[in-house]
Amino acid sequence: SQQGEEDPQALSIQEGENATMNCSYKTSINNLQWYRQNSGRGLVHLILIRSNEREKHSGRLRVTLDTSKKSSSLLITASRAADTASYFCATDQNTGRRALTFGSGTRLQVQP
Amino acid sequence: NAGVTQTPKFQVLKTGQSMTLQCAQDMNHNSMYWYRQDPGMGLRLIYYSASEGTTDKGEVPNGYNVSRLNKREFSLRLESAAPSQTSVYFCASSGDGTTYNEQFFGPGTRLTVL
Repeated sequence: SQQGEEDPQALSIQEGENATMNCSYKTSINNLQWYRQNSGRGLVHLILIRSNEREKHSGRLRVTLDTSKKSSSLLITASRAADTASYFCATDQNTGRRALTFGSGTRLQVQP
Repeated sequence: NAGVTQTPKFQVLKTGQSMTLQCAQDMNHNSMYWYRQDPGMGLRLIYYSASEGTTDKGEVPNGYNVSRLNKREFSLRLESAAPSQTSVYFCASSGDGTTYNEQFFGPGTRLTVL
């Protein structure tokens, strides 16, 4: 089963609006990462937040992490049509194994 | 730098045929991974290699074998393809030099098994 589950599964907004997607997970983690996938392409790393961090920013991206609730959120501000993609959270679990567990993703559509 | 490259980009097989998916990275990364992505779903780990000479099973290893040929190359083999293996396959790598295991992905191989 997937460690991370994103919510919502799909999101449609207008350009200029903010997009928020959430991720929940089940076990303790070293860090949580967000990836973006354009249609038919590979995944691209966006941002990483460590288990001892609560919030992180990168450009128009803001990630929060609540380890007590085992959840994270990704906020994209002032969205653009080019932000249209699928977004996945991935957890680096406390197993010593250097492998990520991916959620099922949120499909974001930004209407121009 | 090319990053992570995968060949082929597309492949159609008949049930029972075999094939090898190739992956190479030029970032001097120690760890390499094979994932599969089914429609509308996230990635599931098939096998990974933490370093040259080692391989370990992931979440869905049945029906697959891997070879870490050298530090650059990590191949995935389907010995007897089944329709359930129709999927998009992604190779990824990460290295000690990357902070906290960010992974770099190839463009994927789209495999259809008839």
